[in-house]
Amino acid sequence: GAVVSQHPSRVICKSGTSVKIECRSLDFQATTMFWYRQFPKQSLMLMATSNEGSKATYEQGVEKDKFLINHASLTLSTLTVTSAHPEDSSFYICSAGGQGLYGYTFGSGTRLTVV
Amino acid sequence: GENVEQHPSTLSVQEGDSAVIKCTYSDSASNYFPWYKQELGKRPQLIIDIRSNVGEKKDQRIAVTLNKTAKHFSLHITETQPEDSAVYFCAAKGAAGNKLTFGGGTRVLVKP
Repeated sequence: GAVVSQHPSRVICKSGTSVKIECRSLDFQATTMFWYRQFPKQSLMLMATSNEGSKATYEQGVEKDKFLINHASLTLSTLTVTSAHPEDSSFYICSAGGQGLYGYTFGSGTRLTVV
Repeated sequence: GENVEQHPSTLSVQEGDSAVIKCTYSDSASNYFPWYKQELGKRPQLIIDIRSNVGEKKDQRIAVTLNKTAKHFSLHITETQPEDSAVYFCAAKGAAGNKLTFGGGTRVLVKP
């Protein structure tokens, strides 16, 4: 079945630094990648949608200059959290959709802690 | 945009009993309704899904029903087991952008 590999699984960074999270589709072409953020005991909140080769579409209230999304190929999408602050600490998870796939495949998630 | 509401937020059942979780959605054009099970610190796992042209779908102890007119869908788990304890999310795929909107989640606890 469709597999999405997400790295790193956990990262701790200092306030003010940037962190890059990668999602790779291993056995299919991910034409669309969705990036979610999940705070403890809450639901998944969509941050942005990216289509390969296009600029990402951000949800209302999500700062596009802070959360940089790159989807330059059909197998790789990245989320960079720039100038991270403690309030950015969360579980970030990607979800890929591809041609021929009706559903969505989730990555394993990244636990970001900003200290 | 799409809005999905999920109830209850917590559900405690005795092992062997049934569990029912209900969701409503706002976008009448939504056409795909998956249910996910999420264990602590892990990715959501798809447990069952239903498309808008089907009213009911069953997979062993799990079933989902969809009422398009009323815009609600439900998850039914029969003969619950302790390993069914987790957080369950419903979701709906709207017509615009193919994005999934999630419900708030239901924390299910199955007591042995």
